[in-house]
Amino acid sequence: EAQVTQNPRYLITVTGKKLTVTCSQNMNHEYMSWYRQDPGLGLRQIYYSMNVEVTDKGDVPEGYKVSRKEKRNFPLILESPSPNQTSLYFCASRPGQTNTGELFFGEGSRLTVL
Amino acid sequence: AQSVAQPEDQVNVAEGNPLTVKCTYSVSGNPYLFWYVQYPNRGLQFLLKYITGDNLVKGSYGFEAEFNKSQTSFHLKKPSALVSDSALYFCAVRALRDNFNKFYFGSGTKLNVKP
Repeated sequence: EAQVTQNPRYLITVTGKKLTVTCSQNMNHEYMSWYRQDPGLGLRQIYYSMNVEVTDKGDVPEGYKVSRKEKRNFPLILESPSPNQTSLYFCASRPGQTNTGELFFGEGSRLTVL
Repeated sequence: AQSVAQPEDQVNVAEGNPLTVKCTYSVSGNPYLFWYVQYPNRGLQFLLKYITGDNLVKGSYGFEAEFNKSQTSFHLKKPSALVSDSALYFCAVRALRDNFNKFYFGSGTKLNVKP
């Protein structure tokens, strides 16, 4: 089954404790992206990657890091989480740059930073 | 600046009545337009898209949307609403200039269908 898998789905942590949210897709998509969803703000892009070893900032990259060492994986790293990073996070993927296709989303990871 | 607006935070409709969820956009160049639906505790699911051609596009679950270039709108419609259509709906636009790879999402509209 074609899917985007995120882990963990739910996480409560404390300020300053490094964490990683993993994302994996099995559709051989070149493009992957991370979003955060906050009430009244819709989805805002954090980082995206056009292919292996190619990443770029989205609209709200502060406090986040990403890496793309393999095509299928695109982890989101919070080096020192803060309460304003409490949010619902989505990973998404789609075929390459010239494709007119839609994004495929994971189920989401709800993060609470105390 | 590229942007997507969903002017209604919430839309209430009775089951069996037609529904419309509004979306307007502002992008440079020709847009690709999308609608997604989000059920509670789930990720976003693709409903339909407009790339080119016929302004009326049909998608999943009986939904359709009309692209209106002069009004820069892409409203989502369904002739007869179901209670199971109750969810959060997002409009998105993918701009074909400037930042080619970027999707811009609206703030979402909560659809409530009452029995």
